[in-house]
Amino acid sequence: GQNIDQPTEMTATEGAIVQINCTYQTSGFNGLFWYQQHAGEAPTFLSYNVLDGLEEKGRFSSFLSRSKGYSYLLLKELQMKDSASYLCAFQALDSNYQLIWGAGTKLIIKP
Amino acid sequence: DGGITQSPKYLFRKEGQNVTLSCEQNLNHDAMYWYRQDPGQGLRLIYYSQIVNDFQKGDIAEGYSVSREKKESFPLTVTSAQKNPTAFYLCASKEGARTNYGYTFGSGTRLTVV
Repeated sequence: GQNIDQPTEMTATEGAIVQINCTYQTSGFNGLFWYQQHAGEAPTFLSYNVLDGLEEKGRFSSFLSRSKGYSYLLLKELQMKDSASYLCAFQALDSNYQLIWGAGTKLIIKP
Repeated sequence: DGGITQSPKYLFRKEGQNVTLSCEQNLNHDAMYWYRQDPGQGLRLIYYSQIVNDFQKGDIAEGYSVSREKKESFPLTVTSAQKNPTAFYLCASKEGARTNYGYTFGSGTRLTVV
């Protein structure tokens, strides 16, 4: 079967670093996406990993280990505007390239 | 600027009514998708279309219908057969269905049954 899991909620302090984990299971994997979603708004694309390793984009980095079915999103120098839900999703080859979505991790940033 | 427009942003439906949610894109994307988002759950796929005049059911298609008469437009009708329609509905598009590109999302429609 296919499933994906991420923590429901996390809290961090402004200026700190936070890591949001995502684990998945699938028989046909074609990449993992991270999206940011502010309350009541559309998800916006953050990153895409298909090969093992770390992809860095400014304050945000995303890591993938295909053998472990594991990814994380690393946010550095946290700002209040980073308070949002972070959605991970993998693309499944055996589901016509559809994305299978996690429930999202709500990140709360405190001053 | 290119993007996806969903309307209305808020929609109220009475029991037994059908309502249609609009989704228009000017990105020239082939593939379009409708998702439903409920608290504590991942996005769930309702319908998707890879090309004009063709669409497929997603995981939770019961009580919904769609059409894809134009490349730019993919409206979703929530019928009276959908027993629990209150949710946040997101439309998305992608350059090609079988590609690694990410989705572009509309701003969503929040549907409430009154």
